[in-house]
Amino acid sequence: DGGITQSPKYLFRKEGQNVTLSCEQNLNHDAMYWYRQDPGQGLRLIYYSQIVNDFQKGDIAEGYSVSREKKESFPLTVTSAQKNPTAFYLCASTPGQGRETQYFGPGTRLLVL
Amino acid sequence: GQQVMQIPQYQHVQEGEDFTTYCNSSTTLSNIQWYKQRPGGHPVFLIQLVKSGEVKKQKRLTFQFGEAKKNSSLHITATQTTDVGTYFCAGPRSSNTGKLIFGQGTTLQVKP
Repeated sequence: DGGITQSPKYLFRKEGQNVTLSCEQNLNHDAMYWYRQDPGQGLRLIYYSQIVNDFQKGDIAEGYSVSREKKESFPLTVTSAQKNPTAFYLCASTPGQGRETQYFGPGTRLLVL
Repeated sequence: GQQVMQIPQYQHVQEGEDFTTYCNSSTTLSNIQWYKQRPGGHPVFLIQLVKSGEVKKQKRLTFQFGEAKKNSSLHITATQTTDVGTYFCAGPRSSNTGKLIFGQGTTLQVKP
């Protein structure tokens, strides 16, 4: 059953702590994306990666970091520098090569203790 | 910078009433996509429109792409409680890197 998985579903962060959100896809998609969603707002792009070992900042990359060591995996780290991390985080992928329909994972809700 | 705006932000309707959300881009788009996000869920792709003036239907949903390819609309006829959710439009970014720019969404509530 192909798709995108994200874990955990809920994540709690303490002050000054870095946390990592997992995103895995078995769709054999080239491109992967991380979005942040706040209540009443659209999807804001944090980082994206079009191929392995390459990624670019999106609109709101400050306080976040990513890696793309494998095609299937695109983890997002929310660092202590992100002062307002409480949000719903969505990972997505696209086949690439001009095909832009995005397939989303179920999301991770991050809360600050 | 490039912007995609949607109106209204929220809409409450009685079951059986029609609903329309409008999407306007600051730039000409090569295509426009629509997604639906159920409460507590994730966005799911509904449709992509490519041609100027294109109209596509999915059962009670009618999607339209403007002649100038800068606006689009989604119309739902005779809403049902299953239509509840947030509807997003999205278009390719001008940089043409495969990234999308999303509207802020229209949240539809349907009273039974």
